[in-house]
Amino acid sequence: DTAVSQTPKYLVTQMGNDKSIKCEQNLGHDTMYWYKQDSKKFLKIMFSYNNKELIINETVPNRFSPKSPDKAHLNLHINSLELGDSAVYFCASSPGGQGSGNTIYFGEGSWLTVV
Amino acid sequence: GQNIDQPTEMTATEGAIVQINCTYQTSGFNGLFWYQQHAGEAPTFLSYNVLDGLEEKGRFSSFLSRSKGYSYLLLKELQMKDSASYLCAVSQAGTALIFGKGTTLSVSS
Repeated sequence: DTAVSQTPKYLVTQMGNDKSIKCEQNLGHDTMYWYKQDSKKFLKIMFSYNNKELIINETVPNRFSPKSPDKAHLNLHINSLELGDSAVYFCASSPGGQGSGNTIYFGEGSWLTVV
Repeated sequence: GQNIDQPTEMTATEGAIVQINCTYQTSGFNGLFWYQQHAGEAPTFLSYNVLDGLEEKGRFSSFLSRSKGYSYLLLKELQMKDSASYLCAVSQAGTALIFGKGTTLSVSS
């Protein structure tokens, strides 16, 4: 049983393209997240949604647009991809809201390479 | 704001004990997590401390001192499979989980 699943796992694309990463969780959690992990392995929050509502947007360029059609899905669309967008993007979910002390469960990650 | 510090790298040998320290400065503290991340994989939950003291779970233990802004993860009877990055993360009221930069542990035979 996959708890948090995201697709695609690997994505290689050219600069300037637009791409999407999809995420779904079957844990019944209210809160979903997108984290970015750069080449130095630093894991940084990008967005947080609670019951389809955007809660956190951490100074991410507006080329990144999250969309949550329902509380089990949080997709990430990236416009006009740049070389610096190359990273691993992790989707995650937790039962409660931000800062509630609830454990966050991560998806397998999506390795994005922009060439 | 928040500031989380942990060593970048550590090495140890099989069977040994290693302690990975984490210090943090934050407001609205709501607990501290440790995650393990093997290369090429997702972070997985190891432990959660919200009260002062030691939490033991098999070979792994985690300690928290809120007054000192300090935590450590203790790994006993090290095995090769424990080679991974260990991420300290702070839960702060009103924000998502904030991660430190991780400690890469290399276990050798």
